[in-house]
Amino acid sequence: DAMVIQNPRYQVTQFGKPVTLSCSQTLNHNVMYWYQQKSSQAPKLLFHYYDKDFNNEADTPDNFQSRRPNTSFCFLDIRSPGLGDTAMYLCATSRGGTVFYGYTFGSGTRLTVV
Amino acid sequence: AQRVTQPEKLLSVFKGAPVELKCNYSYSGSPELFWYVQYSRQRLQLLLRHISRESIKGFTADLNKGETSFHLKKPFAQEEDSAMYYCALPDSGGYNKLIFGAGTRLAVHP
Repeated sequence: DAMVIQNPRYQVTQFGKPVTLSCSQTLNHNVMYWYQQKSSQAPKLLFHYYDKDFNNEADTPDNFQSRRPNTSFCFLDIRSPGLGDTAMYLCATSRGGTVFYGYTFGSGTRLTVV
Repeated sequence: AQRVTQPEKLLSVFKGAPVELKCNYSYSGSPELFWYVQYSRQRLQLLLRHISRESIKGFTADLNKGETSFHLKKPFAQEEDSAMYYCALPDSGGYNKLIFGAGTRLAVHP
């Protein structure tokens, strides 16, 4: 089945220790997104790639970076995680183009910073 | 700025009762709205899009531009409908970006 896969499912990292979350897709979608979702809050967009074009949200902290080495993979790097970065991180994809069909989501990575 | 408001954090009903999950939005222009659902231990998945005017799992949603609402309805709730429901609309500043509401947890009791 074509899908969006996030690894790992759960990640515990120490305060200040860099961490990388992974997302891969077999849908051949042009657009890949990273959302942060804290407990009982709406998912919040961090950034997205339209093909190779990177689009950062204005309020995304500099601590958060992303890489998209090819169509299938996208990574979220947190350079120096703080306790406030504990959250669920969601990867999503969409086809791009003039008609927007919505997103396909991965299962998410639950990150805990200790 | 665009905003999606889901006023209820939790909606608790009995099996067979009607369900209405509220969603209000602020948007300049003609929005395209979505409902996403997340069942326990599963990923977020698309439930329905307003533009396709379809009914999925018995759920429907009508866009009311006058009231800026896109409420999700089902006439008879089932226990398997228990889940987290999110309303979303595209950010007018970027075609392919969705803004989500905070979600409503629907609990259907036997």
